[in-house]
Amino acid sequence: GQQVMQIPQYQHVQEGEDFTTYCNSSTTLSNIQWYKQRPGGHPVFLIQLVKSGEVKKQKRLTFQFGEAKKNSSLHITATQTTDVGTYFCAGEDYGGSQGNLIFGKGTKLSVKP
Amino acid sequence: DTGVSQNPRHKITKRGQNVTFRCDPISEHNRLYWYRQTLGQGPEFLTYFQNEAQLEKSRLLSDRFSAERPKGSFSTLEIQRTEQGDSAMYLCASRHRQGKGYTFGSGTRLTVV
Repeated sequence: GQQVMQIPQYQHVQEGEDFTTYCNSSTTLSNIQWYKQRPGGHPVFLIQLVKSGEVKKQKRLTFQFGEAKKNSSLHITATQTTDVGTYFCAGEDYGGSQGNLIFGKGTKLSVKP
Repeated sequence: DTGVSQNPRHKITKRGQNVTFRCDPISEHNRLYWYRQTLGQGPEFLTYFQNEAQLEKSRLLSDRFSAERPKGSFSTLEIQRTEQGDSAMYLCASRHRQGKGYTFGSGTRLTVV
């Protein structure tokens, strides 16, 4: 079945440093979504990427979708303590399984002030 | 937009008991999803409804699990004869047909003792 792998599992950074998490799918995706889950909270939708090679920015966050639509990355520039949480990528594959997202295990980001 | 509401927030039950959780999605969202999340893992897909029709069930969903969405509005997830391995956060999410990301509820944390 479809699998979504995410690395690294943990990332500890000093405030102001950059952070990147990578996501790989075993199958070609229809779209990929990114979510943030704060400690004790629930996943909150950040963005959806649909097109091959797509790049989207949200302030300090940059999201990329690979040309083959099998990988993605999230880059945060100049991290802040408010960025703390676990970042999940989630892939949707209409060809294999309509209507559900397969989540990676997430990258837990901690930021030292 | 009142968000996705889940009840109860916490449930402690003895092994072998039955439990039922409720999810009230965003009213105009016709798609409703149940996920399960354990510590350090990403959400795992359980089942998915479009309106009142249950369109997909994960192989993770044993015959002890059943979900309903009788009128295409709220949904219930029942676990019969609970086992310790059922202890997890049960997340409900909804999505508009034309929408992008999923809106998750705060979840129901189940502890089986």
